[in-house]
Amino acid sequence: GDSVTQMEGPVTLSEEAFLTINCTYTATGYPSLFWYVQYPGEGLQLLLKATKADDKGSNKGFEATYRKETTSFHLEKGSVQVSDSAVYFCALARGGYNKLIFGAGTRLAVHP
Amino acid sequence: GAGVSQSPSNKVTEKGKDVELRCDPISGHTALYWYRQSLGQGLEFLIYFQGNSAPDKSGLPSDRFSAERTGGSVSTLTIQRTQQEDSAVYLCASSSSTTSPGPQETQYFGPGTRLLVL
Repeated sequence: GDSVTQMEGPVTLSEEAFLTINCTYTATGYPSLFWYVQYPGEGLQLLLKATKADDKGSNKGFEATYRKETTSFHLEKGSVQVSDSAVYFCALARGGYNKLIFGAGTRLAVHP
Repeated sequence: GAGVSQSPSNKVTEKGKDVELRCDPISGHTALYWYRQSLGQGLEFLIYFQGNSAPDKSGLPSDRFSAERTGGSVSTLTIQRTQQEDSAVYLCASSSSTTSPGPQETQYFGPGTRLLVL
């Protein structure tokens, strides 16, 4: 069945460090891919998405590129801030099947 | 505009009691989803409503769980005879998606209902 695998956390970084959170997926067909973020005490928010191969989603300095050849959608940010501390979820949704399938989530802690 | 709202925000109940959780989707969104977020299982899909179509109940963990959506808007998730393993945050989401294959519409999540079964 469809699945999403994320790197385990927590990831601890100093402010202004480079961030990569790995995400790979297994799915038939051509799923849409998403990164959601959950800030402390808040609900899930869409961070970015990509709907076809080689698309790059971007928002708030975060980027992720849909790589069909490696079935990956890694999240990157060039310079993290303390305010980026949150749990990040990679997810997929396959065309015609509208439910989101989530990875386990990766907790990011950024220290000053 | 208003986002997805859920009530109550927190619910504490005793094992064996029934609970009802409510979701108000974004106005005009035809699709509504329930998910569960728990420590042991992560984020799991429970049920999906799309317009007047039969719901996709494939994620409901047992027959103690049921959901309905009245008038194509508000939805209620009911858990009967609650068990301690039902303790979790129940999330509702809505989107403007259709049933057609293709790029998925963004799902917007509510703040969740935190359920604790004692």
